[in-house]
Amino acid sequence: EAGVTQFPSHSVIEKGQTVTLRCDPISGHDNLYWYRRVMGKEIKFLLHFVKESKQDESGMPNNRFLAERTGGTYSTLKVQPAELEDSGVYFCASSPLEGGGNEQFFGPGTRLTVL
Amino acid sequence: GENVEQHPSTLSVQEGDSAVIKCTYSDSASNYFPWYKQELGKGPQLIIDIRSNVGEKKDQRIAVTLNKTAKHFSLHITETQPEDSAVYFCAARTSPYKLSFGAGTTVTVRA
Repeated sequence: EAGVTQFPSHSVIEKGQTVTLRCDPISGHDNLYWYRRVMGKEIKFLLHFVKESKQDESGMPNNRFLAERTGGTYSTLKVQPAELEDSGVYFCASSPLEGGGNEQFFGPGTRLTVL
Repeated sequence: GENVEQHPSTLSVQEGDSAVIKCTYSDSASNYFPWYKQELGKGPQLIIDIRSNVGEKKDQRIAVTLNKTAKHFSLHITETQPEDSAVYFCAARTSPYKLSFGAGTTVTVRA
């Protein structure tokens, strides 16, 4: 079974530009999460989808970040315009709806560098 | 919200020795505590977890202990091997789906 995949693996952009990150969850997983790790710090929760609906977006830093999950399958996270402090590793995770969302399966992450 | 502190940030051990990583949490409502291992170039992977109604759990060379009163939990790795070298994250869950992570511990096992 394929795991969570993320694209791209790395992205280097200049301040003010736009970047879109993509996540493909494990097939059949209705829960999808975005997290971010800024260098050396904790992995921080950004938001949680159940199918195509946003259940919790309390961790989104500001309105420059927009997450979507059209059709309840893959998800995108857009940063527009990017700022220096947005640099970090963005992880996507997924889990099945049953089971109380215990184990979250993580993708390899997208390393974003804003210059 | 939940705040998870993790120590140490780096840990170097001789192969065959034990490694211990400690975490504290702030929200007494947290009820699920997973540990994730992240190897180079990969995403975090669950290695063991414990629920608030259990004090200790063991799986081969790894074990986790939980002290609800003190709000701290620990990961123990015995007989460390080179493949145990990785970044380890503790986490706590208060809401049904949201995990709060520690800052990670980079473990290096010296041959």
